[in-house]
Amino acid sequence: AQSVTQLDSQVPVFEEAPVELRCNYSSSVSVYLFWYVQYPNQGLQLLLKYLSGSTLVKGINGFEAEFNKSQTSFHLRKPSVHISDTAEYFCAVSPTGGGNKLTFGTGTQLKVEL
Amino acid sequence: DTEVTQTPKHLVMGMTNKKSLKCEQHMGHRAMYWYKQKAKKPPELMFVYSYEKLSINESVPSRFSPECPNSSLLNLHLHALQPEDSALYLCASSQAATLADTDTQYFGPGTRLTVL
Repeated sequence: AQSVTQLDSQVPVFEEAPVELRCNYSSSVSVYLFWYVQYPNQGLQLLLKYLSGSTLVKGINGFEAEFNKSQTSFHLRKPSVHISDTAEYFCAVSPTGGGNKLTFGTGTQLKVEL
Repeated sequence: DTEVTQTPKHLVMGMTNKKSLKCEQHMGHRAMYWYKQKAKKPPELMFVYSYEKLSINESVPSRFSPECPNSSLLNLHLHALQPEDSALYLCASSQAATLADTDTQYFGPGTRLTVL
């Protein structure tokens, strides 16, 4: 079984400041890792994913994440946020052995202020 | 194109009503999913269809009845729902040649359901 921990339920940040959203996971098997964003009253949009290869993954809207196997982390970063980045961010994992079952973290609300 | 569409966007129904949610994708994906999302919570998996066959049912009450008429369409039939079933219902799809593969799920915008 897998579990995902997003320790920060809310992250306030000023516009143009950098931000890091933390994600740690626990799994007895290898996993694929994902970050999804959910804007108010909308569905989930894939930001980026790590399947294999380079541990630094670049996604849409200027976001990137780094997979750290030893620390079982997949933190999301952006060097300079914009008001439009205000949203809920979910980290998720699924086992590489298949099954297509995503396990989500509880989400982090990013609030960008002027 | 990674679009999954869902209709209706909003639905209000009484506890004795019968209604259906619809999901459609034209990406050639062979796996489709229903999720339920309560406010301020992550999505919870309800059902998975692979090659139009139900492969996962996460112990969902029988008042929710999924249907996959073809590889592009996924329905969720609702009957005798309870107020606590009010939530955002999300559909997703992925390529998934077999359940042994794991690949990216693409989500629709969801249907906001209110049960009175």
